[in-house]
Amino acid sequence: QVTLKESGPGILQPSQTLSLTCTFSGFSLSTYGMGVGWIRQPSGKGLEWLANIWWDDDKYYNPSLKNRLTISKDTSNNQAFLKITNVDTADTATYYCARIEGEGIPPYFDYWGQGVMVTVSS
Amino acid sequence: DTVLTQSPALAVSPGERVSISCRASEGVNSYMHWYQQKPGQQPKLLIYKASNLASGVPARFSGSGSGTDFTLTIDPVEADDTATYFCQQSWNEWTFGGGTKLELK
Repeated sequence: QVTLKESGPGILQPSQTLSLTCTFSGFSLSTYGMGVGWIRQPSGKGLEWLANIWWDDDKYYNPSLKNRLTISKDTSNNQAFLKITNVDTADTATYYCARIEGEGIPPYFDYWGQGVMVTVSS
Repeated sequence: DTVLTQSPALAVSPGERVSISCRASEGVNSYMHWYQQKPGQQPKLLIYKASNLASGVPARFSGSGSGTDFTLTIDPVEADDTATYFCQQSWNEWTFGGGTKLELK
């Protein structure tokens, strides 16, 4: 059974760095073709893809946010991470992590976490 | 960026057939996927690679299209299908459509 769960600080101030953790089970990020992605959703709005990391440590970022994002993983502890630097109120959103089924082509998000709400406020 | 355009909202009666469209600003081959999101829940995969039904998804849902024009069809619509539906492409970077909110009359 595949599960993912996000965790984060809840609230932080503008200009700080947001650190998010995705803890998952039921698969391994060392398995060929596997990946984890991060997606966010401001309240009442659409989904925005942020970044993906793959089993071979390949990384891809949303070009519009690339300078502020860092994705990483800890394979032995089944975790993936996302850092967003210099946050502002526009980064207030629910953040999701999702597994990428990539052994087949094309890749897609097949399992999602429940999401974690992050508020940026002074 | 590959922009995906969806109609903002649709209203249909239970038992009817509904088609939700997604148009890409450039060709994405068959690298299009569809998700359902109910209020307060995370998105759920419905269709992958344009026309493949995800595991456990009722056969009332189907997908079609290639290139720039894609369609998610629900036939027949049930009350439980009230949700927002998002398309997403993985051909050129990864982007989501703005979502189509499906309401039942």
